[in-house]
Amino acid sequence: AQSVTQLGSHVSVSEGALVLLRCNYSSSVPPYLFWYVQYPNQGLQLLLKYTTGATLVKGINGFEAEFKKSETSFHLTKPSAHMSDAAEYFCAVRTDTGRRALTFGSGTRLQVQP
Amino acid sequence: DVKVTQSSRYLVKRTGEKVFLECVQDMDHENMFWYRQDPGLGLRLIYFSYDVKMKEKGDIPEGYSVSREKKERFSLILESASTNQTSMYLCASSTTVPSGNTIYFGEGSWLTVV
Repeated sequence: AQSVTQLGSHVSVSEGALVLLRCNYSSSVPPYLFWYVQYPNQGLQLLLKYTTGATLVKGINGFEAEFKKSETSFHLTKPSAHMSDAAEYFCAVRTDTGRRALTFGSGTRLQVQP
Repeated sequence: DVKVTQSSRYLVKRTGEKVFLECVQDMDHENMFWYRQDPGLGLRLIYFSYDVKMKEKGDIPEGYSVSREKKERFSLILESASTNQTSMYLCASSTTVPSGNTIYFGEGSWLTVV
């Protein structure tokens, strides 16, 4: 079985500061890893995903994440926060074995201060 | 663009009522999912379906059932709604191949049981 841990249910940064949202996963087989963003009263939108190949993945809105197998991590970063980045972010994992659904972390709410 | 449509955004139902949440996708996806989202718990899988008339239990199936009579439509049924089923419900869909494929989400249905 796989699982995801997101450290920090709330993160607050200043506009222009680095954004770092942490995600660690547990999986006995090679994982596929995803970051989704949810704006208020909306569904989830895919930010980026890692399947195979390059471990540094670039997504939409200037976000990127690096798959580190040795650390079982997939942290999300953005060099410079913008007010519009305020949202809830979810890390998720799935594998080739077992069920085809994603397993999600508990989410991190990002606040951006002016 | 993939579109996953949830028919009702906001519902208020009474305890004991039978509730239907409908979801339609327009991309001929084999897989469809129902998740429940609660603060601090992230998204939890209720049921999923990988083909017409096929269904599998997720992590929290108790008190719910599903129906998939047509490929594009996946319904979540609360046989007798209870107050602890007040939540946000998210429908999603995906293809089976490739394995690392994206899961697309609807806008969500806010259900309040009084």
